Amino acid sequence: AQTVTQSQPEMSVQEAETVTLSCTYDTSENNYYLFWYKQPPSRQMILVIRQEAYKQQNATENRFSVNFQKAAKSFSLKISDSQLGDTAMYFCASASGAGSYQLTFGKGTKLSVIP
Amino acid sequence: GAGVSQSPSNKVTEKGKDVELRCDPISGHTALYWYRQSLGQGLEFLIYFQGNSAPDKSGLPSDRFSAERTGGSVSTLTIQRTQQEDSAVYLCASSLVRNPFYGYTFGSGTRLTVV
Repeated sequence: AQTVTQSQPEMSVQEAETVTLSCTYDTSENNYYLFWYKQPPSRQMILVIRQEAYKQQNATENRFSVNFQKAAKSFSLKISDSQLGDTAMYFCASASGAGSYQLTFGKGTKLSVIP
Repeated sequence: GAGVSQSPSNKVTEKGKDVELRCDPISGHTALYWYRQSLGQGLEFLIYFQGNSAPDKSGLPSDRFSAERTGGSVSTLTIQRTQQEDSAVYLCASSLVRNPFYGYTFGSGTRLTVV
């Protein structure tokens, strides 16, 4: 079974600044996927960024990047040049690579971007 | 449709009543998932449908919960004899292939409140 832990229930950041959200996970799999999802007040879960465990290179999507530390089982999300629209709940999630379709989510971090 | 549509958006029901939650996936998406998001928690997997195959019901929390998917498209999640602990946001997602790495599209959920 996989577990995902987000230790920061709430965070805030000034507009245009950089913020890092933490996530640790536990899995016995060698092949797995990691994700960060954003949930704005509309409640729709939106995929922000994804990482394949066998790829050492950290994934990057525009202002969003991850720091994937496989040995430490850590998968943090860095948001650069924070914008007001980044205000949302952020969920870290994992999935087994062995044909699994289930996502295992952390409890989320509420991020507030302050103007 | 352009996205995953869920109805109703919000539902308030009395304890002991039955409720039906509807999910209309993206046209052509053969895989459909239901997740539950309780207050302050991450998403919890409930059930998975793939085409005409038998669904994976392993996440349903009790026999009061059931779901069906008619014609490989619309899905209905039914909760019988609702309890206060059933209060949560119920999210539906669909995908073209079942591997989460290639993207699940989530709906905006149904917020269920049992009073």
